[in-house]
Amino acid sequence: DIQMTQSPSSLSASVGDRVTITCQASQDISKRLNWYQQKPGQAPQLLIYGASTLQTGVPSRFSGGGSGTDFTFTISSLQPEDVATYYCQQYDDLATVTFGPGTKVEI
Amino acid sequence: QVQLVESGGGVVQPGESLRLSCVASGLIFRNHGFHWVRQAPGQGLEWVAVIWNDGLKKYYEGSVKGRFTISRDDSKNTIYLEMNSLRAEDTAVYFCARIAGVFYSDYWGQGVLVTVSS
Repeated sequence: DIQMTQSPSSLSASVGDRVTITCQASQDISKRLNWYQQKPGQAPQLLIYGASTLQTGVPSRFSGGGSGTDFTFTISSLQPEDVATYYCQQYDDLATVTFGPGTKVEI
Repeated sequence: QVQLVESGGGVVQPGESLRLSCVASGLIFRNHGFHWVRQAPGQGLEWVAVIWNDGLKKYYEGSVKGRFTISRDDSKNTIYLEMNSLRAEDTAVYFCARIAGVFYSDYWGQGVLVTVSS
């Protein structure tokens, strides 16, 4: 099974800061990686799919990159509404998925 | 617009069974596969099961394999999760999620709480 790690597990930054989260897969997953945002009490929301494609309607301050085993997720200018937990998710040919442990972003 | 609404949660004792439902609207149901994903209190997201649009391919996370069954009824636009032999560690909010494109989930339900406790 593919394992996913994320770092940091939590971070605190100021409004306007650039925030970067990393996600690492235990084996090569090409670009089979998605990023989700989850606010307290809410369902997850898709932000990035295929490692770097921004989901329709998602603000352009969010971006993703990487391939193989190492991936990054960036918020270019942190906004108050970005307070949330962010999860990476890998998927395989069978559509089975594994989530990373999450990164809690605070202001 | 696309909506997914889960139901069927509740409080059960260890060893008991429960069936969750997820009714979908605003989409061509037969075109999509669906996941069940759960989240234990204060914890992260954990994938549970997936069913493809053909209803034939179904896959499960290891700890639920043999206890949980995912199914679909295209005539009712509904996904089910039959959960047997429930354990305390199955306590979680259960979400259904639509699969779009190359396996990303763009729509999620609001979640339903399952509590397993004696």
